[in-house]
Amino acid sequence: DTAVSQTPKYLVTQMGNDKSIKCEQNLGHDTMYWYKQDSKKFLKIMFSYNNKELIINETVPNRFSPKSPDKAHLNLHINSLELGDSAVYFCASSQDQDQPQHFGDGTRLSIL
Amino acid sequence: GDSVTQMEGPVTLSEEAFLTINCTYTATGYPSLFWYVQYPGEGLQLLLKATKADDKGSNKGFEATYRKETTSFHLEKGSVQVSDSAVYFCALNYQAGTALIFGKGTTLSVSS
Repeated sequence: DTAVSQTPKYLVTQMGNDKSIKCEQNLGHDTMYWYKQDSKKFLKIMFSYNNKELIINETVPNRFSPKSPDKAHLNLHINSLELGDSAVYFCASSQDQDQPQHFGDGTRLSIL
Repeated sequence: GDSVTQMEGPVTLSEEAFLTINCTYTATGYPSLFWYVQYPGEGLQLLLKATKADDKGSNKGFEATYRKETTSFHLEKGSVQVSDSAVYFCALNYQAGTALIFGKGTTLSVSS
């Protein structure tokens, strides 16, 4: 029933590890996004895909690699995790400008 | 570039007080404007939106009017409740599939 679902909800791992966060939407939207929310609650776009094609790629380290196997899924893989990657990562989806973006509940990533 | 500026928080109010959270934007075109709310430990939910000048968005007693002349989209509620305690984000976007540009968020704390 959930519109945008992310897994896992919490991710605690060591520096240097590689991890993935998965996102799925069942709304039939064409566009999906990854946002990063830092410790001060500031939200910033990382990536956006439209129909499996990358359309936004902000200044993000190339250790972060999004993958969209189909338009309902957008996964985020992170290599060689660093302390500064600790944040909450939100997936979202939308159909067009006049329709709101729907957000998942977030994945809280903590790097030890 | 385009940006959104919100009043600094936290905002602390007593139940039934009047709420205003200021939001102004800088944009080269005619964006759509949104207010999102984030309750503790949850993802973002759309609170209200406006897609053109003089539109008023409203939901759950909250209102905001798209003011092109002052480039503002201030959020108001006549009588806040404890359950309104959350972080409120003002945001804008342009075209279909473009990312939201967020303000830094304003934390609202309502006490009984």
